[in-house]
Amino acid sequence: KNEVEQSPQNLTAQEGEFITINCSYSVGISALHWLQQHPGGGIVSLFMLSSGKKKHGRLIATINIQEKHSSLHITASHPRDSAVYICAVRSYNTDKLIFGTGTRLQVFP
Amino acid sequence: DGGITQSPKYLFRKEGQNVTLSCEQNLNHDAMYWYRQDPGQGLRLIYYSQIVNDFQKGDIAEGYSVSREKKESFPLTVTSAQKNPTAFYLCASSIGGGARLQYFGPGTRLTVL
Repeated sequence: KNEVEQSPQNLTAQEGEFITINCSYSVGISALHWLQQHPGGGIVSLFMLSSGKKKHGRLIATINIQEKHSSLHITASHPRDSAVYICAVRSYNTDKLIFGTGTRLQVFP
Repeated sequence: DGGITQSPKYLFRKEGQNVTLSCEQNLNHDAMYWYRQDPGQGLRLIYYSQIVNDFQKGDIAEGYSVSREKKESFPLTVTSAQKNPTAFYLCASSIGGGARLQYFGPGTRLTVL
């Protein structure tokens, strides 16, 4: 079983829909990252959080340390949000990042 | 503009040849990382360096080598000993080690024929 699990693996949506991507992990962590990978391959860091909630524009990330779970929400989704969203956790023991396999999001007009 | 550059974007090599992937950053970051991405798998750490002239093996270092002679440069050599070299390679950097917020380059897609 992977130490970082994301769901769903694939997600399609109509423009304007509210999107939720989930991440569960099984190791002790000191931080969790949400990353966005565009079709060309480049990766952008969206959030780094260790508790609570962060918001940037239409993106919201939450984390529940007790439940070892994080969610990434996209409000009013747009075709330009189409990308792969990757969850990664910083292991408390090894201090290295462990990556999930990603959620592929496609938003249609 | 500050950032990380990787070159080339696409690279083709014949089986048995060594190949070096370039990674340069002008962010003045101490730590640099090399990851490999394969379809259906999460990124896996190949090598990382927290300071000039020092580097450590990651989870899948076999068949790879690196050097860190300058702060801004961290080239990765894929040797002929790497059994399955065809993959997407990503370089990243961060202000400090310990997997702080990492900034990623655009990646190099290596295909070994």
